[in-house]
Amino acid sequence: AQSVTQLGSHVSVSEGALVLLRCNYSSSVPPYLFWYVQYPNQGLQLLLKYTTGATLVKGINGFEAEFKKSETSFHLTKPSAHMSDAAEYFCAVSGPTGNQFYFGTGTSLTVIP
Amino acid sequence: NAGVTQTPKFRILKIGQSMTLQCTQDMNHNYMYWYRQDPGMGLKLIYYSVGAGITDKGEVPNGYNVSRSTTEDFPLRLELAAPSQTSVYFCASSSLGQGANEQFFGPGTRLTVL
Repeated sequence: AQSVTQLGSHVSVSEGALVLLRCNYSSSVPPYLFWYVQYPNQGLQLLLKYTTGATLVKGINGFEAEFKKSETSFHLTKPSAHMSDAAEYFCAVSGPTGNQFYFGTGTSLTVIP
Repeated sequence: NAGVTQTPKFRILKIGQSMTLQCTQDMNHNYMYWYRQDPGMGLKLIYYSVGAGITDKGEVPNGYNVSRSTTEDFPLRLELAAPSQTSVYFCASSSLGQGANEQFFGPGTRLTVL
C-alpha cells in the first residue's frame, strides 16, 4: 500500500525567505515521487520527480527536492520565495507499475510581500 | 498541441440528473485518468484506462462510469447525480503507465450538484 502525508496544509513565508514543504510517504516498493503545483483555477503542473539515481532533484522555477529513503521523505525547498510561488503544492507517489498515483492532501503556500 | 482538454469548465446539476464530462488528449498517450479534488482532501482516482477498450476502477469509482473507445477520448459519466459528487474533476494522461512517467492534467471541470 502506498500513501502520502503532507505536513502543514497552509504555509506562509515572506518574500525572499526559504520555502520548505514537507512530504512523507509510505511504500512497500521503491517509490517514484513527484511534486506538482496547482495555480488557482488551473490543473496540476509537474515541478519535479524522483525516479532513480541522484537523490537531489532539481525542478522548474528554482525548486528542488531530496529523496531520503531512511526518513521516507521527499521535502520540497526553494532558497528564496517569490510572489509568483503562491499556489497549492501536491506531493505524489507511484509504484513501479505506475497505474495509480497517490496524492497528498496538498499544501497551500502563501508568500507575504 | 492542446494537451489535455476538458469540457465543460463549469456545470450545475440537479440531484438525479446525469451528465458526461468530456476529456480529450492529443499527445497519443495510452494511459488516461479521472480524479476528483475535494477541499483539503487532495486528489482521488476515480477510474483509469491503459488503452482503448480497457478501463479499471480507482479509489472512488462508485457513482461513475467511463468508456475508452479511442486513444484520444476518455469521457466520465455521472448517471444519477448526488450532492456528494460536488467536486472539481481532473482528467490526466501519461505516455506509459510505468510510475516514472509524469501525468499531464487538464484544467478541470467544476461540478455542483444541488
